Amino acid sequence: QSVLTQPPSVSGAPGQRVTISCTGSSSNIGAHYNVHWYQQLPGTVPKLLIYANNNRPSGVPDRFSGSKSGTSASLAITGLQAEDEADYYCQSYDSSLRAAVFGGGTKLTVL
Amino acid sequence: QVQLVQSGSELKKPGASVKVSCKASGYTFTDFPMNWVRQAPGQGLEWIGWIDTNTGNPRYAQPFTGRFVLSLDTSVSTAYLQISSLEAADSGVYFCARAKCGGSCSSDYWGQGTLVTVSS
Repeated sequence: QSVLTQPPSVSGAPGQRVTISCTGSSSNIGAHYNVHWYQQLPGTVPKLLIYANNNRPSGVPDRFSGSKSGTSASLAITGLQAEDEADYYCQSYDSSLRAAVFGGGTKLTVL
Repeated sequence: QVQLVQSGSELKKPGASVKVSCKASGYTFTDFPMNWVRQAPGQGLEWIGWIDTNTGNPRYAQPFTGRFVLSLDTSVSTAYLQISSLEAADSGVYFCARAKCGGSCSSDYWGQGTLVTVSS
């Protein structure tokens, strides 16, 4: 059971908008620790997609955006493309565990 | 450009030890801590711990205390993960990743991963 909870799967048609939620608690997201998002394409290394809640590293398209409110965070993908089909993970820090924590991951299927 | 190059795949028997290396280049090694992350077959990402590349002080997630040891050789810009008394449940891909910190630490550059298989 992951400390951060993500839906196991989401799907959307090309061109649509999808969101992936990441629900934590008062000892991680709710304690104002930043949330980061990673994209892992099939068979590849995870890639940092969003850092510090809503910042995109250089080279990440602006179709990807992040937000955070209370004890939850979300990743939004607009203009869905076939190449976006991947696993997505949220990550933060938990003060009770004194450890970085990942969500369980969400598999995005582009229909 | 920033690169993290890890050592190759390992096949070990239960009870053996393994040491995975992660050689950094393209930046000042001691400017960024190093995270280690495990991905068991078909599973998600698990944070093993990190090591302060300035002081050499490691911190481990609770499930990874005892048999997992993080270390450095700053003279060759290399971080190491050693696992002793290997169990089948330790099988998976192990990643090193440069930590970028501010509020909490993200991993901005990743090694290619090292597959560790524990089997008799």
